[in-house]
Amino acid sequence: QVQLQESGPGLVRPSETLSLTCNVSGGSISPYFWSWIRQSPGKGLEWIGYVFYSGSTYYNPSLRSRVTMSVDTSKNQFSLKLHSVTAADTAMYFCARGGGRLRYIDYWGQGTLVTVSS
Amino acid sequence: DIVLTQSPGTLSLSPGERATLSCRTSLSVSNTYLAWSQHRPGQAPRLLIYGASNRATGIPDRFSGSGSGTDFTLTISRLEPEDFAVYYCHQYGSAPLTFGQGTKVEIK
Repeated sequence: QVQLQESGPGLVRPSETLSLTCNVSGGSISPYFWSWIRQSPGKGLEWIGYVFYSGSTYYNPSLRSRVTMSVDTSKNQFSLKLHSVTAADTAMYFCARGGGRLRYIDYWGQGTLVTVSS
Repeated sequence: DIVLTQSPGTLSLSPGERATLSCRTSLSVSNTYLAWSQHRPGQAPRLLIYGASNRATGIPDRFSGSGSGTDFTLTISRLEPEDFAVYYCHQYGSAPLTFGQGTKVEIK
């Protein structure tokens, strides 16, 4: 059974970079797409983008200018960086499998809450 | 972006009753690239249905999906206690992937 676990700071200061890592266990990073999704308090789910196991990426145009995703196949991990954060980036962040090129989201992490505050 | 509208926002039902959840899309979803997931607090969300009507591995047959084009439905034939949760649809046929706003199924 594939399991995903997010890790990273729960508090980030405004204008800084939010950095999260997702550890994948019970399966290989290859040959899948890996997504990040967030849910702001009281709001809906927003897909941030995906990284393919090869390293290619696609980002939601709404966040494209501030997002960087990467993958480390040797560690079975993938990562998210969101630059220049504001309070509007406070959300529960989920990592997930799928979301690229006609692939549904089939496995999710439990999510990690990130608060942007000084 | 394709906008997904789920209704109702909240469904109040008793265990054993039938739940019918709707997901309507602003544009036709090609090849029924529509999925449903179940979200419970403190747990990893779980995929229920993909391709509009295909049950994911291990999903009980009381869950069924139907629909095409712009109109999709998730049906839970007889609610079990563990089915009270929030359900989201998402379309993956057109980038960016988008989600509905969710339907909460609560105990009446």
